[in-house]
Amino acid sequence: DIQLTQSPSFLSASVGDRVTIICRASQGIASYLAWYQQRPGKAPNLLIYSASTLQSGVPSRFSGSASGTEFTLTISSLQPEDFATYYCQQLADYPITFGQGTRLEIK
Amino acid sequence: EVQLVESGGGLVQPGGSLRLSCAASGFVFSDYFLDWVRQAPGKGLEWVARSRTKANSYTTKYATSVKDRFTISRDDSEKSLYLQMNSLKIEDTAVYFCVRSFGDFRSFDSWGQGTLVTVSS
Repeated sequence: DIQLTQSPSFLSASVGDRVTIICRASQGIASYLAWYQQRPGKAPNLLIYSASTLQSGVPSRFSGSASGTEFTLTISSLQPEDFATYYCQQLADYPITFGQGTRLEIK
Repeated sequence: EVQLVESGGGLVQPGGSLRLSCAASGFVFSDYFLDWVRQAPGKGLEWVARSRTKANSYTTKYATSVKDRFTISRDDSEKSLYLQMNSLKIEDTAVYFCVRSFGDFRSFDSWGQGTLVTVSS
């Protein structure tokens, strides 16, 4: 199975901060990586697909990039509604797997 | 508006069975792959199973943890997805989400609100 390791697992930041979350794949997955945001008690919401393509309706402060097996989600200027848990997901091979999640909290 | 509405969750004893349903609306159901993803209380996301389209021979895929115990199926005429869960274990306790994607290698662009399955004696 392809393992995805997110770092950090927990992040404390302030409104207006720029934050970066990293997802490392245990083997090559090309650009078959997505990012999701999950607020407490809600279903996840797709933010980024194909490593760097912004899903329709998602604010432009979210961006994704890739370098080999390392993928990055960046939020350029945190807003209050961005405090949530973020997951990466690989779709290159079965079983489809998710990272363990990064919980982003208000400092 | 795309909608996925799960139902059928509840409390079941270990070794028991349960059937989840997902009613879809707002899109051409038969064009999409449909999956189940679960989330144990306080834990991360785990993909469970996939149902491909008629064009892909309705083939299915399963996570190792549920293979041979769970069966995913779909009824395109009813715009519904199902998950038959047998031989349930305590570790199957989770919220089960119905999700759609447009094919292999494609992300999950719509999610239902989830239904809670609790396996406990």
